[in-house]
Amino acid sequence: AQKVTQAQTEISVVEKEDVTLDCVYETRDTTYYLFWYKQPPSGELVFLIRRNSFDEQNEISGRYSWNFQKSTSSFNFTITASQVVDSAVYFCALSEAGYGGATNKLIFGTGTLLAVQP
Amino acid sequence: DTGVSQDPRHKITKRGQNVTFRCDPISEHNRLYWYRQTLGQGPEFLTYFQNEAQLEKSRLLSDRFSAERPKGSFSTLEIQRTEQGDSAMYLCASSSRTGSSETQYFGPGTRLLVL
Repeated sequence: AQKVTQAQTEISVVEKEDVTLDCVYETRDTTYYLFWYKQPPSGELVFLIRRNSFDEQNEISGRYSWNFQKSTSSFNFTITASQVVDSAVYFCALSEAGYGGATNKLIFGTGTLLAVQP
Repeated sequence: DTGVSQDPRHKITKRGQNVTFRCDPISEHNRLYWYRQTLGQGPEFLTYFQNEAQLEKSRLLSDRFSAERPKGSFSTLEIQRTEQGDSAMYLCASSSRTGSSETQYFGPGTRLLVL
């Protein structure tokens, strides 16, 4: 069965600190996809990144970076020089590869609440 | 704004009443998903449409729940005889698959409170 674990329930940092959000996943599929979404207090889930299981290159986008390690089944997310606007719940999610009409439904972790204090 | 929209944003109802939510996906997206999110949890998959066909339903979707997507455009999710346990955020997402994967874009959600 597929499962995503985000062990950190809440993290509080002071502005400009770096912070890493952990994500560990379980799947028996050889092809799968990993995602991070941000959910601000307004409630809408905002897509941040998608990676496939064959691409272990780390990715950087501005202050955001992602570290994907298949050996440890982890897909961690780092925010450099955090800002108050980064305060939100962050979800890691997993989907299997789907073909034809098969679903790519997302399996979400329980989320990490990040609070960035000014 | 060409994102996913949902209506209403908030709904308060009494136990036993029926409620209906609407989702308008991104116009070129042929795939549409419904998820439910309770407090402190991640969203959980409810059901999925490809065009007008409902191709998968979760076991979470009891007989009191029904979803439709006529003509493969907007979708509705109806809950009959609501129960207090139905109180949650109902999220809609749409996507257009590329290869074997896709990125789902979410709407703002409908927050349901059953009294």
